[in-house]
Amino acid sequence: DAKTTQPNSMESNEEEPVHLPCNHSTISGTDYIHWYRQLPSQGPEYVIHGLTSNVNNRMASLAIAEDRKSSTLILHRATLRDAAVYYCIHDSRDSNYQLIWGAGTKLIIKP
Amino acid sequence: DADVTQTPRNRITKTGKRIMLECSQTKGHDRMYWYRQDPGLGLRLIYYSFDVKDINKGEISDGYSVSRQAQAKFSLSLESAIPNQTALYFCATVRDGYTFGSGTRLTVV
Repeated sequence: DAKTTQPNSMESNEEEPVHLPCNHSTISGTDYIHWYRQLPSQGPEYVIHGLTSNVNNRMASLAIAEDRKSSTLILHRATLRDAAVYYCIHDSRDSNYQLIWGAGTKLIIKP
Repeated sequence: DADVTQTPRNRITKTGKRIMLECSQTKGHDRMYWYRQDPGLGLRLIYYSFDVKDINKGEISDGYSVSRQAQAKFSLSLESAIPNQTALYFCATVRDGYTFGSGTRLTVV
């Protein structure tokens, strides 16, 4: 199974950077690492994805370890609207692109 | 209009009833997925389809069936609903990343 490990919850202050860690020790060489987030009462929303190199977009940055067994999602300046459950997933080509979802990290932003 | 539309948004049904959840997408993607989410848990895959003629079972397909009527439409059916199928159901399309619908909250009483 393409499983990931994340902390159950994290807290951060508003306007500060947030680093959300994820371990994916079973990842294979062709699996992409995906991050999604889910706001209350909504479907998951794409945040970012990457393969080997660090990635940046308007929402976040993704730092991928050299051995690819872990990654970190970086929110540069957290706002109250970033409070959500963040899921780290890798898609296994062996399982036909099925994403195996864990329970994610609940990010709490304090004003 | 949303890229992925699910209907209904909420549904209460009785045990033993047949119910269909519908999903349509305007993104032109071939791959479509049905997931369920239980409180405090991540999503679990029910069925997925790579095109109209390619339907595959996911992790928890028992008690469910699907129909891919067209590239844009992928329906999930519960043939005889039971209370432990009470959950939030999400449809998604995939190309480089997933695009999810807003979900259907199904309650089986």
